[in-house]
Amino acid sequence: DIQMTQSPTSLSASVGDRVTITCRASQTISTYLNWYQQKPGKAPKLLIYSASTLQSGVPSRFSGSGSGTDFTLTISSLQPEDFATYYCQQSFSTPRTFGQGTKVDVK
Amino acid sequence: EVQLLESGGGLVQPGGSLRLSCAASGFTFSRNAMNWVRQAPGKGLEWVSSISGSGETTYYADSMKGRFTISRDNSKNTLYLQMNSLGAEDTAVYYCAKDRYALTDYPIFDSWGQGTLVTVSS
Repeated sequence: DIQMTQSPTSLSASVGDRVTITCRASQTISTYLNWYQQKPGKAPKLLIYSASTLQSGVPSRFSGSGSGTDFTLTISSLQPEDFATYYCQQSFSTPRTFGQGTKVDVK
Repeated sequence: EVQLLESGGGLVQPGGSLRLSCAASGFTFSRNAMNWVRQAPGKGLEWVSSISGSGETTYYADSMKGRFTISRDNSKNTLYLQMNSLGAEDTAVYYCAKDRYALTDYPIFDSWGQGTLVTVSS
């Protein structure tokens, strides 16, 4: 199974901050990497797919990069509605594994 | 607008069975693979199973193989998950998630339902 490791597991930030979350795969997955945002009590929401493609309707302050084993989700200027937990997910092979999540909260 | 509405969750005793349903609307159901993803209380996301748009191809997480069965009825725009031999470790919110594509080769979960809670307890 491919293990997905996110760092950090949590971070505290302020509105307007630039936030970077990393995701590392235990083996190469090309660009088969997706990012999701989840708010408490809500379903996850797709933000980025194929490592760097912004899902329709997602603000452009979100961006993704990387290939192979190392990936990054960046929020260029954190907004109040961005405080949430973020998950990466590989779609390269079965089982489709998720990272453990990164919680972004208020500093 | 895509809508996914799960149902069928509830309290079940260890060793019991449950069938979840996910009613889909707002898209051509047969053109998209579908998935189940679960989340134990206070934990992260765990992929459970996938099924292609035609229903011909299915995949399962190892811990669900032989116990869970995914299926779909394209005439009813409905996805199912039959769960047998349930244990406490299966307690979770179960989400159905629409795939961006018809095949399950490289899934992208682009729309999610609100989830249904399954509690396994005596």
